[in-house]
Amino acid sequence: DAGVIQSPRHEVTEMGQEVTLRCKPISGHNSLFWYRQTMMRGLELLIYFNNNVPIDDSGMPEDRFSAKMPNASFSTLKIQPSEPRDSAVYFCASTELAGTPREQYFGPGTRLTVT
Amino acid sequence: QQQVKQSPQSLIVQKGGIPIINCAYENTAFDYFPWYQQFPGKGPALLIAIRPDVSEKKEGRFTISFNKSAKQFSLHIMDSQPGDSATYFCAAAAGAGSYQLTFGKGTKLSVIP
Repeated sequence: DAGVIQSPRHEVTEMGQEVTLRCKPISGHNSLFWYRQTMMRGLELLIYFNNNVPIDDSGMPEDRFSAKMPNASFSTLKIQPSEPRDSAVYFCASTELAGTPREQYFGPGTRLTVT
Repeated sequence: QQQVKQSPQSLIVQKGGIPIINCAYENTAFDYFPWYQQFPGKGPALLIAIRPDVSEKKEGRFTISFNKSAKQFSLHIMDSQPGDSATYFCAAAAGAGSYQLTFGKGTKLSVIP
């Protein structure tokens, strides 16, 4: 299995630009999470989906952030407009819904730098 | 009440030592406590997990100790090796069917030869 795939691995953009991060979960997994990691705040859950439906987006910092999961094999996290404080590593993780908490499999992350 | 507090922030031990990382929580509904390991440039990966019906769980050199009454749990790494140098995160989830993990801030462990 290829694991969780994220693209791009690195993104450098200027303040005000739109940024789109992409994630392909592990085949068969039906729960997907987006996290943001910074030195100051650690690993923060932004939003998660079960069966392509957003369940909890209370971690999304502002309206500038949006996430979609149009099908079971693809999700996007969009930031529009981007700001320097959005610079972080963004991780996508997936797991299998099975009645009890299961291991979350993380992707390699996207390092975002907003100048 | 959803927080998981982790300490220390960083830890340096000699090879063969036993680093101990501690976590505390307030939410008594938490019933699943995993530890994740993260190497530089990689995503976190599950290391070991425990449920509150047991006080200890061992997997190889890694042991979780759990104190339900104190609402604390800790990770011990026996005979630590330089390859164990990584950042370790404790986490917690509440309720059967809950997949939302609350993570601690992480502990950067360095094992020196």
